[in-house]
Amino acid sequence: QVQLVQSGAEVKKPGASVKVSCKASGYTFTDYYLHWVRQAPGQGLQWVGWINPNSGGTNSAQKFQGRVTMTRDTSITTAYMELSGLKSDDTAIYYCARDRLASAGTGSFAYWGQGTLVTVSS
Amino acid sequence: DIQMTQSPSTLSASVGDRVTITCRASQNIGNWLDWYQQKPGKAPKLLIYEASVLESGVPSRFSGSGSGTEFTLTISSLQPDDFATYYCQQENSYPWTFGQGTKVEIK
Repeated sequence: QVQLVQSGAEVKKPGASVKVSCKASGYTFTDYYLHWVRQAPGQGLQWVGWINPNSGGTNSAQKFQGRVTMTRDTSITTAYMELSGLKSDDTAIYYCARDRLASAGTGSFAYWGQGTLVTVSS
Repeated sequence: DIQMTQSPSTLSASVGDRVTITCRASQNIGNWLDWYQQKPGKAPKLLIYEASVLESGVPSRFSGSGSGTEFTLTISSLQPDDFATYYCQQENSYPWTFGQGTKVEIK
């Protein structure tokens, strides 16, 4: 079965960087785009970006461009999202999610990780 | 960015009720609209994609309709497991955006 297992909670100071991992199993890692979506406490959902694990290509929302770096290590079927220049309003649960369709970034998120809480506080 | 607006924000209903949630897009998104269910402390779950296609394993009491700028999610007979928050999301153009959510509460 498809599983996405994320790294544990992080507490960071303003201006720091955080790197969240997403370990995939149960399917061919390079066949499906992986997305990152965040949710501030008690708030709605916000798409951050995607990575194509096959090519390493990425795309992110303009809001995060210049601050977000998405990478992958195919040897261990793991994707990473690093967010730099953290601010207090980056405090959120960060989810990785697998695309619904193979070889496409459809924007439909069929499988989700359990989420990683990132807290930014001085 | 395309703005997605859901109504109502909160809905109180009883088991067995027929429930309808509306989602409006700020511009034409064709049928590129998904619905998710989220329970407290859990990740969202995909229910419907492309406005009306039921994701595998999702009960048939859930249905979606609409195109262009107006969409609906209907639960034909609300079950205890359905009390949750529901989000619509457009996948027509970047950045993909979500509605603010509709919380379905027990009446």
